[in-house]
Parts: sequence; structure tokens; C-alpha cells
Amino acid sequence: AQSVAQPEDQVNVAEGNPLTVKCTYSVSGNPYLFWYVQYPNRGLQFLLKYITGDNLVKGSYGFEAEFNKSQTSFHLKKPSALVSDSALYFCAVRPPYSSASKIIFGSGTRLSIRP
Amino acid sequence: DTAVSQTPKYLVTQMGNDKSIKCEQNLGHDTMYWYKQDSKKFLKIMFSYNNKELIINETVPNRFSPKSPDKAHLNLHINSLELGDSAVYFCASSFPGLAGAQGQETQYFGPGTRLLVL
Repeated sequence: AQSVAQPEDQVNVAEGNPLTVKCTYSVSGNPYLFWYVQYPNRGLQFLLKYITGDNLVKGSYGFEAEFNKSQTSFHLKKPSALVSDSALYFCAVRPPYSSASKIIFGSGTRLSIRP
Repeated sequence: DTAVSQTPKYLVTQMGNDKSIKCEQNLGHDTMYWYKQDSKKFLKIMFSYNNKELIINETVPNRFSPKSPDKAHLNLHINSLELGDSAVYFCASSFPGLAGAQGQETQYFGPGTRLLVL
């Protein structure tokens, strides 16, 4: 069965420090991988995605994610955290080549950046 | 300039009632979705329509019925509301995948409808 896991419910980081939000997946084949962010009382916003090619993907607001096929991971990173990065982050996976395939979201990781 | 809009934003109702949530997108997308986010923030797809045709229909009670009058609108009607239906419902849209590239599409989410069933 296809699945995506975010092992940390919450990540706490001091402003200015690097941050990592972890994501691992279990999907047959080469999946498409996404990160979305949800600010309080808002819908999800797209951050970045991995389709193919370079394993390091750069996205919005200075975020990047590294696709690691051997570890089946797609961790989200940022070199220097901002208080405004505090939000709920969702990793998502989708099997390729089918618009009828459903996107599967992880359980979410709450990122808290302290001043 | 709202890209994906939902109405109402909040919905408080009694058990057993029937209610509808409306979604509209002005992005020119062909594909629209309904998601349910529960109190623990788990997000799960319910339905997906492509150009008014149902393409994903997850295991949800048949009290939930989506309707797409045109490709810019996807409404969700819920009959006989139950306490467990309380959640935030998100509408989303995307362009359809190009041949050989389906599944890559970025989804654009609405602000959500907070449903509370008493």
C-alpha cells in the first residue's frame, strides 16, 4: 500500500537556525513528491515538488527539499528559519502517470520558530 | 482575485440536517477536488472531478454527493449530517495532467469550510 510518513508531529527551531522537516514514503515506481504549507485558518499552499532530475528541489520562501531514492525520503529544509515560517507542513506523494491516482498526504508536522 | 473560493466559510448545523458547500475556481483549471481535514489535521481526498466527470471517488458515505455544474464549480452536498462529519472541508483545483505527465499537477486550495455538527 502506498503511504507517506512524517515522523515528527512538531519541530521547534530558533530563528536563524537551519530547519529540517522529515518525510519518508512508500510507493512503487518513481513517485511524484510534494510539500505544502498550511498557515492558521488557511488552505494549503504549494511549496515545491519533485518530478524527476536534480535531487535537490528549490521552492517558495527559501525552502528546498532533497529527494533520496535509496532512503525513500524527501526532507524539507531551509538554511535559516524565520518566525513567519511557523505553520503546518504536509508532505504528499502521488503515483506517476495517472491523473486518476489520488495524492496521499502525510499527517503533517507543525513547525514552530521561536524568536 | 480569489483563485479558489468556498462558501460558506463557517457552517454550524444540527444533526440530521442537509447542507451544501460551494466551490468556485477562476484559474481555468479542469480538475477539482474535495478534501476532508479532521480535528487531528489529517487530510484525505474525497472526490475528484475532471471537466465535470468524476474520476476519484474515495470510500465516503453516500450521504456525500458532489456536483459539478461546470468545470469551474464543484459543490458538495451532505445529507443527514452526523457528528463525525464535523471537520474542515477543502476544495482544490489543478490543470489536468498532460499525456505522460499526469500526477505532476500542483493543486490550489481554497480557504476551507469549517463544518460543526451539533
